[in-house]
This record gives sequence, structure tokens and C-alpha cells, in this order.
Amino acid sequence: SQQGEEDPQALSIQEGENATMNCSYKTSINNLQWYRQNSGRGLVHLILIRSNEREKHSGRLRVTLDTSKKSSSLLITASRAADTASYFCAPVFGQNFVFGPGTRLSVLP
Amino acid sequence: GAGVSQSPSNKVTEKGKDVELRCDPISGHTALYWYRQSLGQGLEFLIYFQGNSAPDKSGLPSDRFSAERTGGSVSTLTIQRTQQEDSAVYLCASSLAEGLQPQHFGDGTRLSIL
Repeated sequence: SQQGEEDPQALSIQEGENATMNCSYKTSINNLQWYRQNSGRGLVHLILIRSNEREKHSGRLRVTLDTSKKSSSLLITASRAADTASYFCAPVFGQNFVFGPGTRLSVLP
Repeated sequence: GAGVSQSPSNKVTEKGKDVELRCDPISGHTALYWYRQSLGQGLEFLIYFQGNSAPDKSGLPSDRFSAERTGGSVSTLTIQRTQQEDSAVYLCASSLAEGLQPQHFGDGTRLSIL
């Protein structure tokens, strides 16, 4: 299965701290995408990193990809209460990608 | 509209009834996906449409589930003879192309089977 597996399942930090979430997968990919889901809403795309890229930045987000280890990480710097949400990775090959159970991030004010 | 629209936002029905869930994708998006999300869980892939190609139905959990996409735009997910285990949030997403582009999600239909 192409399913991403996020780690940890839950993370609780104080506002201003950095949050790091990890994703592992099992097979080759074209790209890997990270999404955020606020309670009661659909998923929102955050960032896409291609298989030939190693690091990508978008605002306070930093994503790394290590294809040799089949893993990715999402770093949110200087977290805010509004970052509280579930975060999902989606490794993509062709049209197939399966979202894992996600990491539930709580940022405490 | 600007985003993916799903209706109804909430649906409560009795066990054994049929339900239809609707998804209006972003105009011009050729790929359309349906997912199911149980409380506090990840997304379970159900079905995928890409242009005029035959849909990928590999994720449908039983023959009570079916979906169609008319005119390459609006999609309807139908669940026949609903069971309590069908209770979940059903999410629809669309994208410009398969896999290579981000998916844009609707806010889902929360289905409750009594």
C-alpha cells in the first residue's frame, strides 16, 4: 500500500514552539503532499515536494524528503494556536495516494 | 463557486434507507475523488474519476456503494440499504490532474445512520 504513516499520532506544544511531524511510506513515489484538517472541515493542501527534491519551504512550513529512507518530515516553526489541527501526509504514485491516520497537533496559548 | 461544494452538509437517516451525496468539483478539474473518514481517523479512499476514463472503484467497501460522474463534472455517491457502520464523513476532492497536483477538498457530508 502507498499509505503514509504519520508519527506521532498526537502532539501538544506551547505557542511559539516548533512542531515536527514525520511520515513514512513503503514504495516509490512521484511526490509527497502534506495536508491540514481543521475540525469539521475538509483537508487543505499545504505543500507538495517532488521525489527529486530534498527540502521545501513555505512560510513557517519546512518539509524534507528522504527517498532512501522513504520518509518525510513537516516542521512548523513558531507555532500559533491557529495551527491546531490534524496533519496528513499523502505519498503519491500515479493517481494513487492513501492518507494515513494523521498527527493531531494541539498548540496551547 | 470557488471551491469544492458538497451537499447535504449533514444527513441523518434510518438503517436500510438509500442516500445520495453530491459533489460539485472546481470547474475544469478533471480528477475527482471520494473518501470516507470515520471519527478521529484518516481518510479511506472510495473511488476516483479521471476525465472520460473508467473510474477506479477499488476502494468501494461493498456493492451497496456506487458513484457516478455526469458530464465530467458533478458526482453523486449513492449508498443503498444503509447500515450503521456507514456512519462517517464523506469527503470529495478534485484536482487538475491525477496525483501530480494538490487535491482540493469540500467540507464533507456527515452521514449518521440511526
